[in-house]
Amino acid sequence: ETGVTQTPRHLVMGMTNKKSLKCEQHLGHNAMYWYKQSAKKPLELMFVYNFKEQTENNSVPSRFSPECPNSSHLFLHLHTLQPEDSALYLCASSQEKDSGANVLTFGAGSRLTVL
Amino acid sequence: GQNIDQPTEMTATEGAIVQINCTYQTSGFNGLFWYQQHAGEAPTFLSYNVLDGLEEKGRFSSFLSRSKGYSYLLLKELQMKDSASYLCAVRDSNYQLIWGAGTKLIIKP
Repeated sequence: ETGVTQTPRHLVMGMTNKKSLKCEQHLGHNAMYWYKQSAKKPLELMFVYNFKEQTENNSVPSRFSPECPNSSHLFLHLHTLQPEDSALYLCASSQEKDSGANVLTFGAGSRLTVL
Repeated sequence: GQNIDQPTEMTATEGAIVQINCTYQTSGFNGLFWYQQHAGEAPTFLSYNVLDGLEEKGRFSSFLSRSKGYSYLLLKELQMKDSASYLCAVRDSNYQLIWGAGTKLIIKP
């Protein structure tokens, strides 16, 4: 399988649950990203990993915890979320991080609903 | 602050031409991107402009004017499958991507 694959595609969880989102890329890319996409809002960058090292955390609440065990896999661990965290969570990858022509390849996203 | 403006929604007719505008105010400029996102699917890369002018790629073209902080995406010979959201993004001087909220394009028969 090629491209960026995200699982699960849909997730419903209560505020006290713990769940994880998974992202996998088979493109040989070195940088991976988590974005939050809410309706009619710009994409919000959450975390960036470059060569498995976290390089950015854009003031994301600690109830979101990323993990990057290797350059092909990225997780987002979710704990004690709030209803306003309901959104589409997109994973993306790119060949490198800091380059002008750096094109992101996105996964189809995980639609999260927090009850 | 940094900002990207694009229309929220546009409607066009199958077979016609539509132009989606994007204006930006960013700290520096290292390129502008257009992505297409069908409902429930991944955003996919359409075009990249770093120099002024028009880049043509089949039915899609993208234009950039750095002095005006302005770009547009031009879609010709519209097809029903072009119904999607179109995202404009600018890479600033720190190589951060600044995103617009997207333009939802509705194509009518």
